[in-house]
Amino acid sequence: SQQGEEDPQALSIQEGENATMNCSYKTSINNLQWYRQNSGRGLVHLILIRSNEREKHSGRLRVTLDTSKKSSSLLITASRAADTASYFCATVPGGGADGLTFGKGTHLIIQP
Amino acid sequence: NAGVTQTPKFQVLKTGQSMTLQCAQDMNHEYMSWYRQDPGMGLRLIHYSVGAGITDQGEVPNGYNVSRSTTEDFPLRLLSAAPSQTSVYFCASSSRMSGQETQYFGPGTRLLVL
Repeated sequence: SQQGEEDPQALSIQEGENATMNCSYKTSINNLQWYRQNSGRGLVHLILIRSNEREKHSGRLRVTLDTSKKSSSLLITASRAADTASYFCATVPGGGADGLTFGKGTHLIIQP
Repeated sequence: NAGVTQTPKFQVLKTGQSMTLQCAQDMNHEYMSWYRQDPGMGLRLIHYSVGAGITDQGEVPNGYNVSRSTTEDFPLRLLSAAPSQTSVYFCASSSRMSGQETQYFGPGTRLLVL
């Protein structure tokens, strides 16, 4: 079964606004990763946050992790039309297990 | 570096046919994996490998076989294709070293089983 669940399933905002997506997961994790998928393409890694980290930044991206609530959020600031894509969270389980478990994704549309 | 390459890009099969999806990476990554993506869904792990000669099952392994004879290649075999295997298949690779767990994905293979 899928570990992560993104919320919302779809999000449409105006260019320049901030976009926030949330991810919840069920079991303990080693790290959580966010990926972007443009239509018809493979996934591209955006950012990784470890279980002992609470916040991480990369350019216009900000990721938070709350292990007590088993949730993460991805904030994209000053959105651009090129940010239109599907965004997935993926978890790596704790305990040394291998493999990413993906959520179903949030489809983000940036209106020009 | 070419990164992760997949062939073919598109394939149409008839029910019961077999085929092999090819995946290769030139980054000397230990870890390789296969996922399938169905409409409106995230990716589900089919099989993975942590090194040459070592493979293991993921979430949805039934109907698929894999082998890992070299570090570079990780082919996925469909033994007897079924319509339920119509999907987009992605191969990915990563290092297992801490701090380098980013997974690199191939462009995908779109498979239609009639």
